[in-house]
Order: sequence, then C-alpha cells, then structure tokens
Amino acid sequence: AQRVTQPEKLLSVFKGAPVELKCNYSYSGSPELFWYVQYSRQRLQLLLRHISRESIKGFTADLNKGETSFHLKKPFAQEEDSAMYYCALKRREYGNKLVFGAGTILRVKS
Amino acid sequence: ETGVTQSPTHLIKTRGQQVTLRCSSQSGHNTVSWYQQALGQGPQFIFQYYREEENGRGNFPPRFSGLQFPNYSSELNVNALELDDSALYLCASSFSGVQETQYFGPGTRLLVL
Repeated sequence: AQRVTQPEKLLSVFKGAPVELKCNYSYSGSPELFWYVQYSRQRLQLLLRHISRESIKGFTADLNKGETSFHLKKPFAQEEDSAMYYCALKRREYGNKLVFGAGTILRVKS
Repeated sequence: ETGVTQSPTHLIKTRGQQVTLRCSSQSGHNTVSWYQQALGQGPQFIFQYYREEENGRGNFPPRFSGLQFPNYSSELNVNALELDDSALYLCASSFSGVQETQYFGPGTRLLVL
C-alpha cells in the first residue's frame, strides 16, 4: 500500500540556517509527489510539485526514486517560513487521490 | 476568481446523528475531493466526484456518502455519527487533467459528542 512518512513532527531552526524537511514514500507505481504548506490561520495550499522542478519561495525538492524520498530544502530559513508542511503522493488509479504524510511543523526562530 | 468555500465552519453533533457538509468549487473546476483530517494527522482521502459521479473512494464506510451537483458544488453526508468522526473535513476542487492541482477550502470542524 502507498504510504508517505514524515519522520519529524517538529523542526526548529534559526533564521538564516538551512532547512531540510524529510519525506519518504512507498509506492509501487510511478509517483507524483507534492509539498503542501499551511500557514497559521490559512488554508492548505500547494507549495511545489516534483514534475515542475521549480523553486517556490526559495524551496526546492528533488525526487529520489532510489531512496524513495522527496525532501524539501531551503538554504536560508526565514521567519515567514514557519508553518505546517505536508508531503503528499498522488495516486491516479484511485481518482487522483492524494495520500498525505502526518506533517512537520517548521519553526524558524529569530 | 472565487476560491473554494465550505460551510458551516464549525458544527457540533451528538452520536448517532446525521450531518451534511457543503463545498463550493473554485470557478472552472469540475472535480471535488473530500478529506478527513483528525487532530495531529495529515488529511485522509474520503472520495472524489467528477462530473457528478463518484470517481474513487478511500477506506471509509458507506455511511460516508457524497453528491456533486451540476454547478460542481458538493455535499458530504455522514450518517450514524461516531465519536471518531470528530475531525476537520476538507474539500478540494480541481480541473481534471494531466497537471491537476487540488485547491483546498478552509474546512469544516466537526465535533461529535
């Protein structure tokens, strides 16, 4: 069965430090991976998707099929990056459903 | 362009009751997905509707049912409520396609006593 694992519930870093939010997945097919973010008092929103290979708000994520990982990285954290981050996998065979990890709270301290 | 809206924002019910949650899709979207998010967990897929037909279902019992209307708005109905149904219910709309992106509503928080 497909599964998305985010091993850290909370990641606390200082402003300007590098950030890496970990995501591992298990899926037998060809995965499509996403990172969603939820800022305080806001709705869940898409941050980036692996097929776009883009950098959003300084964040990047590379799909590593060998390690079945899709870690989210940013070289220099900013206080406004503080939020809940969810890694998600799309399954096309089941109505394009998204399978989410449990989420990681990123706290950027000044 | 109007985003995804959900109503009500909060709801309190008692065990055994029935509840209907509503979702209005973002303009131009033809697909609606519903998710349940329990406290401290990521959203879990309930089902998806595409052009008024169920288009995939997660591991939820039949007492969770839904509808999609011709204007692509949607309802989630839950019968015989149980305490474990207490959660945030999220609706997401999208336009079915190769690079489909799901846009989420603010959610309805349901408390079952």
